[in-house]
Amino acid sequence: AQSVSQHNHHVILSEAASLELGCNYSYGGTVNLFWYVQYPGQHLQLLLKYFSGDPLVKGIKGFEAEFIKSKFSFNLRKPSVQWSDTAEYFCAVNAVMYSGGGADGLTFGKGTHLIIQP
Amino acid sequence: EPEVTQTPSHQVTQMGQEVILRCVPISNHLYFYWYRQILGQKVEFLVSFYNNEISEKSEIFDDQFSVERPDGSNFTLKIRSTKLEDSAMYFCASSEAFGAQYFGPGTRLLVL
Repeated sequence: AQSVSQHNHHVILSEAASLELGCNYSYGGTVNLFWYVQYPGQHLQLLLKYFSGDPLVKGIKGFEAEFIKSKFSFNLRKPSVQWSDTAEYFCAVNAVMYSGGGADGLTFGKGTHLIIQP
Repeated sequence: EPEVTQTPSHQVTQMGQEVILRCVPISNHLYFYWYRQILGQKVEFLVSFYNNEISEKSEIFDDQFSVERPDGSNFTLKIRSTKLEDSAMYFCASSEAFGAQYFGPGTRLLVL
C-alpha cells in the first residue's frame, strides 16, 4: 500500500515570496502523482499531475512540481505567491494499473494549509 | 467546463438510519470513486467503480456501504445503518481511463 507524507502542515508566507511544499511517498511500483488544491469553501481541484515523461510538470496558476524518483518526492513550487493562493494543498498518489485503464484510489497526504499575507 | 456534482450538500441523520449520497460524474468518464474526510483528518479512499462493478475498495468500505449506478448518469453511495463515526465529508470523483480524478464539492454528513 502507498503512503504520502507532507512535511509542513501550516505555512505562512508574504506575497511575492517563493513557495515549496514538500511531498514524499512510499510505494515500490509505478505511481501517478498529483497535487490538489482546496480554496476556502470550495472543492478539491486538480492543480497538476505526473503520469510519465518529463519529471518537471507545470500546472495551473503558475504552479509546478518536480518528480524525483530517487527521493520518492514530488515537491510543489511557485516562484511568487499571491494572496489568492491561500488554500489547503494536498499531495496524492495512486498505483498504475496497466490492465483495464483504471487506477487505484488515491492516497492523500494530510495536507498543507498555506496562508499568504498581503 | 464539465464538473462532478453531488447532492445533497449537507445531510443530517439519526444513528441507525440509512442515507444515500448522490453524485453525477462527468459525462464521458467511466471510472467513479468515493472518498471521505473526517474533520481534521486525511481524505481517505473508500471505493472505485468501473463497468458496473466495484474495482477496488478500502478496509473502510465494509458491509454497511454499497455503491450503485442506477442509471446512465447517477452514482450513489449508500450507508445502511449510520454510526456516529460515519460523520464526515464524502467526496465523489470520476476519471477517464488512465486519467486524473476530478472531485465533486462533497456532501457533509452529520450523524446524531
